[in-house]
Amino acid sequence: AQTVTQSQPEMSVQEAETVTLSCTYDTSESNYYLFWYKQPPSRQMILVIRQEAYKQQNATENRFSVNFQKAAKSFSLKISDSQLGDTAMYFCAVIIQGAQKLVFGQGTRLTINP
Amino acid sequence: NAGVTQTPKFQVLKTGQSMTLQCAQDMNHEYMSWYRQDPGMGLRLIHYSVGAGITDQGEVPNGYNVSRSTTEDFPLRLLSAAPSQTSVYFCASSRTRWMTQYFGPGTRLLVL
Repeated sequence: AQTVTQSQPEMSVQEAETVTLSCTYDTSESNYYLFWYKQPPSRQMILVIRQEAYKQQNATENRFSVNFQKAAKSFSLKISDSQLGDTAMYFCAVIIQGAQKLVFGQGTRLTINP
Repeated sequence: NAGVTQTPKFQVLKTGQSMTLQCAQDMNHEYMSWYRQDPGMGLRLIHYSVGAGITDQGEVPNGYNVSRSTTEDFPLRLLSAAPSQTSVYFCASSRTRWMTQYFGPGTRLLVL
């Protein structure tokens, strides 16, 4: 069974700084999909970025980008020019092609300070 | 286009009571799922459905039932509430199970 580990329970940076959230996963499969979700204090789960494992190019969405290292089974999220509105819990998740469920990490609580 | 909606937003139950958490989506998604979120544990899959009439168990199914009579609706039933079911419940849907899942706003449930 696949597992997802986020080793940083909490992080805190100043506004406008760059921050990187770590995520590692464990699977023996080669085809899978990776996600980062953001959960602000409103509790809504919001997709930040998605990466297909077969794609070598790292996904980017505006200020958000990933560093996908397939051999190392690592999927970190980089937030550039951080903003107060980025304050949230961030969850890494993976789903194996052919499997039925999305597996989540425990989350990283990110605080952006003014 | 409302996306994924959940009702109620908050509910208090007494031990042994039953209730249904409602979930609906208007995106014609095949795949729908229910998760629970407990402190420090991320989200865990309770039940899921890959289409109308088809449901299956996830990681933590005990104490919960689901049915999927239409594409749009996927209610979650608590048969006999227990304090261990105090949690935040999220419903999600996606076009297929490997596509991005879109989440509802969540239902906070407190069982006394």
